[in-house]
Amino acid sequence: GAGVSQSPSNKVTEKGKDVELRCDPISGHTALYWYRQSLGQGLEFLIYFQGNSAPDKSGLPSDRFSAERTGGSVSTLTIQRTQQEDSAVYLCASRLSGVTYEQYFGPGTRLTVT
Amino acid sequence: EDKVVQSPLSLVVHEGDTVTLNCSYEVTNFRSLLWYKQEKKAPTFLFMLTSSGIEKKSGRLSSILDKKELFSILNITATQTGDSAIYLCAARGNDYKLSFGAGTTVTVRA
Repeated sequence: GAGVSQSPSNKVTEKGKDVELRCDPISGHTALYWYRQSLGQGLEFLIYFQGNSAPDKSGLPSDRFSAERTGGSVSTLTIQRTQQEDSAVYLCASRLSGVTYEQYFGPGTRLTVT
Repeated sequence: EDKVVQSPLSLVVHEGDTVTLNCSYEVTNFRSLLWYKQEKKAPTFLFMLTSSGIEKKSGRLSSILDKKELFSILNITATQTGDSAIYLCAARGNDYKLSFGAGTTVTVRA
């Protein structure tokens, strides 16, 4: 498809386990963002990738969270030793740099930590 | 710290009603304000506003920005059940990050 895709769409994990969430941005989009949306809350910025530049990790809530972007395309958000407060929808967005500021969002991954 | 506040948090209207959603912001070096509609999971882009007083319109939706008073409104006229969604407001400063409000949940009853 032409849009941003994310997998899995839903993930249920036990407290203490590690999880990996994947994002495939729109082809050619050099900017990629991860957000977290807890129930009834707005989108919380987590991390930003732009081309080959060092990512802006300022939104990551703890050192249990990390993200990579390989080859300037696919990105993986990893949460280690998950906690119940990590339960949320994790949204990925991509943007075509230099053209418009509009971010295109994926459908998200709903993470439930039991 | 940048802050975006939306009101009301939720509202319920009947088809045909008009709704007005509010968004106020405090953003360092403000550049633009964006509105998104979130129905299931993925927010979809509605408007980006950069200039004060210029209304942007798309069908029954319209939005305007007041950079002096630091707020924006989103209007939906002749509402339909398909307008039921969470409407998110986001403000951008002089970097590449958006600060989002908590959203307004709109429910349109037939």
